[in-house]
Amino acid sequence: DAGVIQSPRHEVTEMGQEVTLRCKPISGHDYLFWYRQTMMRGLELLIYFNNNVPIDDSGMPEDRFSAKMPNASFSTLKIQPSEPRDSAVYFCASRQGPGELFFGEGSRLTVL
Amino acid sequence: QQQVKQSPQSLIVQKGGISIINCAYENTAFDYFPWYQQFPGKGPALLIAIRPDVSEKKEGRFTISFNKSAKQFSLHIMDSQPGDSATYFCAAKGGGYNKLIFGAGTRLAVHP
Repeated sequence: DAGVIQSPRHEVTEMGQEVTLRCKPISGHDYLFWYRQTMMRGLELLIYFNNNVPIDDSGMPEDRFSAKMPNASFSTLKIQPSEPRDSAVYFCASRQGPGELFFGEGSRLTVL
Repeated sequence: QQQVKQSPQSLIVQKGGISIINCAYENTAFDYFPWYQQFPGKGPALLIAIRPDVSEKKEGRFTISFNKSAKQFSLHIMDSQPGDSATYFCAAKGGGYNKLIFGAGTRLAVHP
């Protein structure tokens, strides 16, 4: 398996623009997680899905952030409108049941 | 209650030395304690994990020591090598919480 696949790997955008980050989990995994990593706050869990259903979105910073999982092989994290403080590395991770959590290589977002 | 406190924030070790990273938790319901290793530009990857029914787990040069009564666990890297230079995260899960709670991370530099 190719692992968790994220795109884009790098995104530079201007404040106010919409940003969409994409994730393809490992086939057969029923849990999908979105994390944000910054120097100041470390790894923060934003939201996670089980069988495509959002279970806990308490980590989503505000209404500008939204996440969807339309099917078992695809998820998006959208920021609209983006702000400079959203600059971070966003990770998608997946696992099967209680098993090991596998991370993608991340999407580095810079908002100017 | 849900925090995992990790120390030190950064660590410099000479090649061949022992690297020690410590973590503490509050929630006694946690029953799974993994350590993740992250290289620059990559996502975190599972290094080694332990459950509270054992006090120590060893895999090659990496050992987790677990003290249930003190609610602490630590990662020991024996014979540290420059290739071990990375950021290490401890984490915890359990007690009905389906998500990993990560520590703040330790940036390890092993000097030749």
